[in-house]
Amino acid sequence: DTEVTQTPKHLVMGMTNKKSLKCEQHMGHRAMYWYKQKAKKPPELMFVYSYEKLSINESVPSRFSPECPNSSLLNLHLHALQPEDSALYLCASSQQFDREKLFFGSGTQLSVL
Amino acid sequence: GNSVTQMEGPVTLSEEAFLTINCTYTATGYPSLFWYVQYPGEGLQLLLKATKADDKGSNKGFEATYRKETTSFHLEKGSVQVSDSAVYFCARGQAGTALIFGKGTTLSVSS
Repeated sequence: DTEVTQTPKHLVMGMTNKKSLKCEQHMGHRAMYWYKQKAKKPPELMFVYSYEKLSINESVPSRFSPECPNSSLLNLHLHALQPEDSALYLCASSQQFDREKLFFGSGTQLSVL
Repeated sequence: GNSVTQMEGPVTLSEEAFLTINCTYTATGYPSLFWYVQYPGEGLQLLLKATKADDKGSNKGFEATYRKETTSFHLEKGSVQVSDSAVYFCARGQAGTALIFGKGTTLSVSS
């Protein structure tokens, strides 16, 4: 299994809603990532988890809250988002010793109304 | 600074045409270099990589050579297909830092 699975594929939420994005991989990767990608732009790194611990937070606003409950799962909890947060949210994973070879999920297309 | 610069798109080609997408980088030291591809509605996939100077990465008919003297990693394919239509991202990595992506180049191939 070489897949990174993200759910849901599409999400529409209001600015007062709370929602969560989910990511799962069964490749034994111990590094997992959240990226944000706006249309026609490259992915921007948000968070990195290493061995289920947060190792990088790229100054992301607190309305985005990541969680890594175990080595296969990565969540992104969303609360009080703004319309400008609408984007494709990509999860990725990698081997701890080869963190440049990323395996990406298909993403969650998020629209904030 | 440390960055990746790609040629502006979109690139529009006919099937079987030759493709070049330019990529240059700045970095301290000698980073690994990558090309990722993003097909419509999907996440990014690693297309090829090179880890040291003069290395040539290749996959699915695509090639790129790590040129230290020109700090470049241009992507080439001799004969593109409609199925190659996608966005191509050049990226550099370096131990201890996150992958840095270029802005992406959209390729559109028509039959």
